Amino acid sequence: QVQLLQSGAEVKKPGASVKVSCVASGYTFTSFSLHWVRQAPGQSLEWMGWVSPPSGNTGYSQRLQGRVTFTRDTSASTAYMELSSLRSEDTAMYYCARKRFGDLHPFDIWGQGTMVTVSS
Amino acid sequence: QSALTQPPSASGSPGQSVTISCTGSSSDVGGYNYVSWYQQHPGKAPKVMISEVTKRPPGVPDRFSGSKSGNTASLTVSGLQAEDEAEYYCSSYAGSDNWVFGGGTKLTVL
Repeated sequence: QVQLLQSGAEVKKPGASVKVSCVASGYTFTSFSLHWVRQAPGQSLEWMGWVSPPSGNTGYSQRLQGRVTFTRDTSASTAYMELSSLRSEDTAMYYCARKRFGDLHPFDIWGQGTMVTVSS
Repeated sequence: QSALTQPPSASGSPGQSVTISCTGSSSDVGGYNYVSWYQQHPGKAPKVMISEVTKRPPGVPDRFSGSKSGNTASLTVSGLQAEDEAEYYCSSYAGSDNWVFGGGTKLTVL
């Protein structure tokens, strides 16, 4: 079935970087965009940005621009999110979510989430 | 862009109806008919319940409906059931390939 499988939980020290993977299966990877959304403990969802698998084009939220990088490996149907200069406020569950191309479509399939904890 | 404004909580008894609002601006909710609603149970990933303001994806009960007026979108859950108790988030396209979520509303079934 259609699913997004994310890598396991991470614990990082402040100032470090983290890279989370999202493996797509059950559909054509290059036919949908991949977005990243995070959720701090007890908080709301925060949209982080997107990557277009066929082109590698990316878009980032203003808040995270400069610290986050999205990439993809089409041969492995995998998208990656790398966040650098980690701080305690980056402690959150990170989700990848699939979306059809075009502004009107919703995030229809979500990964199970990857918990990233930033602590000294 | 700022998060969309939702009431922190809503509640209703089984069988009743409840409506959750989502207020943005002319740059997001008011400017596009691209509002979606997501249901999130504790410890789970969000699930889309409504897209394009009013459309229900396959498998979503018709007890869930959406609407929009000006800069405010709304989600109505009719015939409340125990399993509807969850957090609900609205989301809107905000232009220039940006999206924004609401602050979330905790729906309690009394």
